[in-house]
Amino acid sequence: DGGITQSPKYLFRKEGQNVTLSCEQNLNHDAMYWYRQDPGQGLRLIYYSQIVNDFQKGDIAEGYSVSREKKESFPLTVTSAQKNPTAFYLCASSIGSAGKETQYFGPGTRLLVL
Amino acid sequence: GESVGLHLPTLSVQEGDNSIINCAYSNSASDYFIWYKQESGKGPQFIIDIRSNMDKRQGQRVTVLLNKTVKHLSLQIAATQPGDSAVYFCAEKSGGSYIPTFGRGTSLIVHP
Repeated sequence: DGGITQSPKYLFRKEGQNVTLSCEQNLNHDAMYWYRQDPGQGLRLIYYSQIVNDFQKGDIAEGYSVSREKKESFPLTVTSAQKNPTAFYLCASSIGSAGKETQYFGPGTRLLVL
Repeated sequence: GESVGLHLPTLSVQEGDNSIINCAYSNSASDYFIWYKQESGKGPQFIIDIRSNMDKRQGQRVTVLLNKTVKHLSLQIAATQPGDSAVYFCAEKSGGSYIPTFGRGTSLIVHP
């Protein structure tokens, strides 16, 4: 089955700790995205990547970092600089060409601070 | 899982009724619109999309209507079922961008 996987489902972070959220897709999509979702709010874009080895900051990139070394993978690191990391994190992918912008989402990772 | 529906507009319907969920968008240059369904604790699921050169598109039990004059989008669900209970949100994209803008969503509650 093709799709997007995220792991872990739940992640606990201690104060001052960096944590990494995994996102993998086997849809052969060029573009991948990370969003943050807080209760009662719309999705906010953290980072996105339109092609391997390239990525751009979204609206709320401070305190986060990403890499895109492989087409299939787009891990997100939540650094200790992110002071309010508790949220539901969603990874998405799309074909990435004009007319093919539909984003498909993974199941999400819920990050909690201990 | 935790609810993503806190403080969202809520629509309550009886099983078997038709549901209409509305979305107002602000960018007159938006040319592509998507509806997603998100169940509690899960990722959003694509339902249906529509481009600005259309005013209506139908899927299985769902219809999306686009009124560009008043910048309004609606999702109609026929014969609503308890499994349709979720948060529904729209997304819009303008021609110059790959990145859509997502709305806050509406929580649909279907009573058996």
